[in-house]
Amino acid sequence: DAKTTQPPSMDCAEGRAANLPCNHSTISGNEYVYWYRQIHSQGPQYIIHGLKNNETNEMASLIITEDRKSSTLILPHATLRDTAVYYCIASDSNQFYFGTGTSLTVIP
Amino acid sequence: NAGVTQTPKFRILKIGQSMTLQCTQDMNHNYMYWYRQDPGMGLKLIYYSVGAGITDKGEVPNGYNVSRSTTEDFPLRLELAAPSQTSVYFCASRSTGGTDTQYFGPGTRLTVL
Repeated sequence: DAKTTQPPSMDCAEGRAANLPCNHSTISGNEYVYWYRQIHSQGPQYIIHGLKNNETNEMASLIITEDRKSSTLILPHATLRDTAVYYCIASDSNQFYFGTGTSLTVIP
Repeated sequence: NAGVTQTPKFRILKIGQSMTLQCTQDMNHNYMYWYRQDPGMGLKLIYYSVGAGITDKGEVPNGYNVSRSTTEDFPLRLELAAPSQTSVYFCASRSTGGTDTQYFGPGTRLTVL
Protein backbone atom coordinates (compact mmCIF):
# COMPACT_ATOMS: atom_id res chain seq x y z
CA ASP A 1 0.00 0.00 0.00
CA ALA A 2 1.17 3.51 -0.77
CA LYS A 3 2.42 5.69 2.07
CA THR A 4 0.28 8.74 2.80
CA THR A 5 1.38 12.03 4.32
CA GLN A 6 -0.96 14.36 6.23
CA PRO A 7 -0.41 17.51 8.27
CA PRO A 8 -0.44 16.66 11.98
CA SER A 9 -3.05 19.24 12.95
CA MET A 10 -5.48 21.81 11.58
CA ASP A 11 -8.05 24.24 12.93
CA CYS A 12 -11.31 25.24 11.32
CA ALA A 13 -13.98 27.74 12.34
CA GLU A 14 -17.40 26.29 13.04
CA GLY A 15 -19.66 26.57 10.00
CA ARG A 16 -16.80 26.93 7.57
CA ALA A 17 -15.52 24.28 5.19
CA ALA A 18 -12.71 22.10 6.48
CA ASN A 19 -10.25 21.03 3.78
CA LEU A 20 -7.95 18.22 4.84
CA PRO A 21 -5.09 17.41 2.45
CA CYS A 22 -3.38 14.08 1.88
CA ASN A 23 -0.35 13.29 -0.21
CA HIS A 24 -0.02 9.81 -1.74
CA SER A 25 2.54 10.35 -4.47
CA THR A 26 3.43 6.65 -4.82
CA ILE A 27 -0.15 5.44 -5.19
CA SER A 28 -0.66 2.64 -7.71
CA GLY A 29 -3.45 2.38 -10.23
CA ASN A 30 -5.47 -0.14 -8.24
CA GLU A 31 -5.27 1.61 -4.91
CA TYR A 32 -8.32 3.39 -3.57
CA VAL A 33 -8.11 6.40 -1.29
CA TYR A 34 -10.08 5.96 1.93
CA TRP A 35 -10.84 8.45 4.66
CA TYR A 36 -11.73 7.49 8.22
CA ARG A 37 -12.02 9.56 11.34
CA GLN A 38 -11.64 8.78 15.02
CA ILE A 39 -13.50 10.84 17.56
CA HIS A 40 -11.81 10.85 20.95
CA SER A 41 -10.99 7.22 21.77
CA GLN A 42 -13.80 5.60 19.81
CA GLY A 43 -13.30 3.12 16.98
CA PRO A 44 -12.56 4.74 13.61
CA GLN A 45 -15.54 5.65 11.47
CA TYR A 46 -15.67 5.39 7.68
CA ILE A 47 -16.21 8.68 5.83
CA ILE A 48 -15.67 8.20 2.11
CA HIS A 49 -13.49 6.53 -0.52
CA GLY A 50 -12.66 6.93 -4.19
CA LEU A 51 -10.43 5.73 -7.00
CA LYS A 52 -10.18 8.45 -9.65
CA ASN A 53 -13.32 10.51 -9.69
CA ASN A 54 -14.43 12.98 -7.09
CA GLU A 55 -16.93 11.54 -4.67
CA THR A 56 -19.58 13.04 -2.41
CA ASN A 57 -21.80 11.58 0.26
CA GLU A 58 -23.83 12.88 3.14
CA MET A 59 -20.74 13.38 5.29
CA ALA A 60 -18.09 14.81 2.98
CA SER A 61 -16.61 15.28 -0.46
CA LEU A 62 -13.41 13.73 -1.74
CA ILE A 63 -11.39 15.52 -4.40
CA ILE A 64 -8.64 13.45 -6.04
CA THR A 65 -6.15 15.18 -8.33
CA GLU A 66 -5.96 14.02 -11.92
CA ASP A 67 -2.53 12.40 -11.36
CA ARG A 68 -3.93 10.79 -8.18
CA LYS A 69 -0.90 11.86 -6.17
CA SER A 70 -2.92 13.82 -3.67
CA SER A 71 -6.45 14.25 -2.42
CA THR A 72 -8.51 16.56 -0.24
CA LEU A 73 -11.32 15.67 2.11
CA ILE A 74 -13.87 18.46 2.41
CA LEU A 75 -16.31 18.79 5.29
CA PRO A 76 -18.58 21.49 3.85
CA HIS A 77 -19.92 23.00 7.08
CA ALA A 78 -17.77 21.89 10.00
CA THR A 79 -19.43 21.49 13.39
CA LEU A 80 -17.92 20.99 16.83
CA ARG A 81 -18.77 17.29 16.51
CA ASP A 82 -16.36 17.05 13.57
CA THR A 83 -13.40 17.56 15.93
CA ALA A 84 -11.48 14.30 15.45
CA VAL A 85 -8.37 12.68 14.00
CA TYR A 86 -8.78 12.10 10.25
CA TYR A 87 -6.90 9.29 8.54
CA CYS A 88 -6.16 9.06 4.84
CA ILE A 89 -5.35 5.55 3.59
CA ALA A 90 -4.33 4.27 0.17
CA SER A 91 -5.00 0.57 -0.28
CA ASP A 92 -5.85 -2.13 -2.80
CA SER A 93 -5.52 -5.04 -0.41
CA ASN A 94 -6.99 -6.58 2.68
CA GLN A 95 -4.69 -4.55 4.88
CA PHE A 96 -5.09 -0.91 5.83
CA TYR A 97 -2.13 1.05 7.15
CA PHE A 98 -3.20 3.94 9.34
CA GLY A 99 -0.68 6.72 9.83
CA THR A 100 -0.96 9.31 12.58
CA GLY A 101 -3.58 11.30 10.67
CA THR A 102 -4.60 14.95 10.98
CA SER A 103 -6.06 16.19 14.25
CA LEU A 104 -8.84 18.59 13.24
CA THR A 105 -10.12 21.03 15.85
CA VAL A 106 -13.31 22.90 15.03
CA ILE A 107 -13.33 26.21 16.86
CA PRO A 108 -16.60 27.86 17.99
CA ASN B 1 -27.77 -5.31 14.25
CA ALA B 2 -25.29 -4.76 17.07
CA GLY B 3 -22.43 -4.43 14.55
CA VAL B 4 -19.02 -5.24 16.00
CA THR B 5 -18.89 -5.92 19.73
CA GLN B 6 -15.80 -6.32 21.89
CA THR B 7 -15.33 -7.58 25.42
CA PRO B 8 -14.04 -6.63 27.89
CA LYS B 9 -14.02 -2.82 27.68
CA PHE B 10 -11.16 -2.51 30.15
CA ARG B 11 -8.66 -4.96 31.65
CA ILE B 12 -5.56 -4.78 33.80
CA LEU B 13 -3.13 -7.69 33.54
CA LYS B 14 0.02 -8.55 35.40
CA ILE B 15 3.19 -9.31 33.46
CA GLY B 16 3.15 -12.93 32.28
CA GLN B 17 -0.61 -13.41 32.54
CA SER B 18 -2.66 -14.42 29.55
CA MET B 19 -6.07 -13.37 28.30
CA THR B 20 -8.37 -13.47 25.31
CA LEU B 21 -9.98 -10.39 23.82
CA GLN B 22 -13.32 -11.25 22.31
CA CYS B 23 -14.73 -9.84 19.08
CA THR B 24 -18.07 -10.70 17.50
CA GLN B 25 -19.85 -9.29 14.47
CA ASP B 26 -23.42 -9.95 13.39
CA MET B 27 -23.19 -8.59 9.83
CA ASN B 28 -22.05 -11.88 8.24
CA HIS B 29 -18.82 -10.23 7.16
CA ASN B 30 -16.05 -12.44 5.80
CA TYR B 31 -13.15 -10.19 6.72
CA MET B 32 -12.16 -9.41 10.30
CA TYR B 33 -9.22 -7.47 11.70
CA TRP B 34 -7.42 -6.77 14.95
CA TYR B 35 -5.58 -3.47 15.45
CA ARG B 36 -3.76 -1.92 18.35
CA GLN B 37 -3.43 1.79 19.00
CA ASP B 38 -0.76 3.17 21.29
CA PRO B 39 -1.20 6.66 22.79
CA GLY B 40 -0.94 9.42 20.18
CA MET B 41 -0.36 6.94 17.37
CA GLY B 42 -2.35 5.53 14.50
CA LEU B 43 -3.72 2.00 14.36
CA LYS B 44 -1.40 -0.89 13.60
CA LEU B 45 -2.71 -4.15 12.15
CA ILE B 46 -1.99 -7.22 14.30
CA TYR B 47 -3.82 -10.05 12.51
CA TYR B 48 -6.60 -10.40 10.00
CA SER B 49 -8.87 -13.11 8.64
CA VAL B 50 -10.52 -13.45 5.24
CA GLY B 51 -12.93 -16.14 6.37
CA ALA B 52 -13.52 -18.94 8.85
CA GLY B 53 -10.40 -21.06 9.23
CA ILE B 54 -8.10 -18.53 7.51
CA THR B 55 -5.90 -16.05 9.35
CA ASP B 56 -2.82 -14.04 8.43
CA LYS B 57 -0.29 -11.79 10.12
CA GLY B 58 -0.41 -8.04 9.90
CA GLU B 59 2.22 -5.47 10.76
CA VAL B 60 2.75 -6.28 14.47
CA PRO B 61 1.77 -9.93 15.17
CA ASN B 62 4.46 -10.86 17.73
CA GLY B 63 3.05 -11.78 21.13
CA TYR B 64 -0.45 -12.48 19.82
CA ASN B 65 -2.43 -15.37 18.41
CA VAL B 66 -5.80 -15.55 16.70
CA SER B 67 -8.30 -18.13 15.55
CA ARG B 68 -11.39 -17.96 13.33
CA SER B 69 -13.59 -20.99 13.84
CA THR B 70 -16.82 -19.18 12.91
CA THR B 71 -17.75 -16.26 10.67
CA GLU B 72 -18.96 -14.26 13.65
CA ASP B 73 -16.07 -14.56 16.11
CA PHE B 74 -12.42 -13.54 15.92
CA PRO B 75 -10.74 -13.78 19.36
CA LEU B 76 -7.27 -12.35 20.02
CA ARG B 77 -5.08 -14.22 22.49
CA LEU B 78 -2.22 -12.75 24.53
CA GLU B 79 -0.17 -15.59 26.01
CA LEU B 80 2.49 -13.86 28.12
CA ALA B 81 1.45 -10.28 28.67
CA ALA B 82 4.21 -7.65 28.58
CA PRO B 83 4.10 -3.91 29.39
CA SER B 84 4.69 -3.21 25.69
CA GLN B 85 1.25 -4.66 24.99
CA THR B 86 -0.44 -1.89 26.95
CA SER B 87 -2.67 -0.38 24.31
CA VAL B 88 -6.20 0.03 23.03
CA TYR B 89 -7.28 -2.88 20.86
CA PHE B 90 -9.83 -2.48 18.08
CA CYS B 91 -11.58 -5.20 16.16
CA ALA B 92 -13.09 -4.49 12.74
CA SER B 93 -15.03 -6.34 10.06
CA ARG B 94 -15.59 -5.87 6.35
CA SER B 95 -17.96 -7.66 4.00
CA THR B 96 -15.59 -8.35 1.11
CA GLY B 97 -11.97 -7.76 0.19
CA GLY B 98 -12.94 -5.13 -2.30
CA THR B 99 -13.80 -1.56 -1.49
CA ASP B 100 -16.32 -2.23 1.21
CA THR B 101 -15.70 -0.26 4.35
CA GLN B 102 -14.43 -1.55 7.67
CA TYR B 103 -16.71 -1.31 10.67
CA PHE B 104 -14.94 -0.93 13.99
CA GLY B 105 -15.85 -2.06 17.48
CA PRO B 106 -15.62 0.24 20.52
CA GLY B 107 -12.23 -1.06 21.62
CA THR B 108 -10.67 -2.80 24.62
CA ARG B 109 -8.32 -0.76 26.80
CA LEU B 110 -5.60 -3.08 28.16
CA THR B 111 -2.99 -2.18 30.75
CA VAL B 112 -0.16 -4.56 31.61
CA LEU B 113 1.62 -3.84 34.90
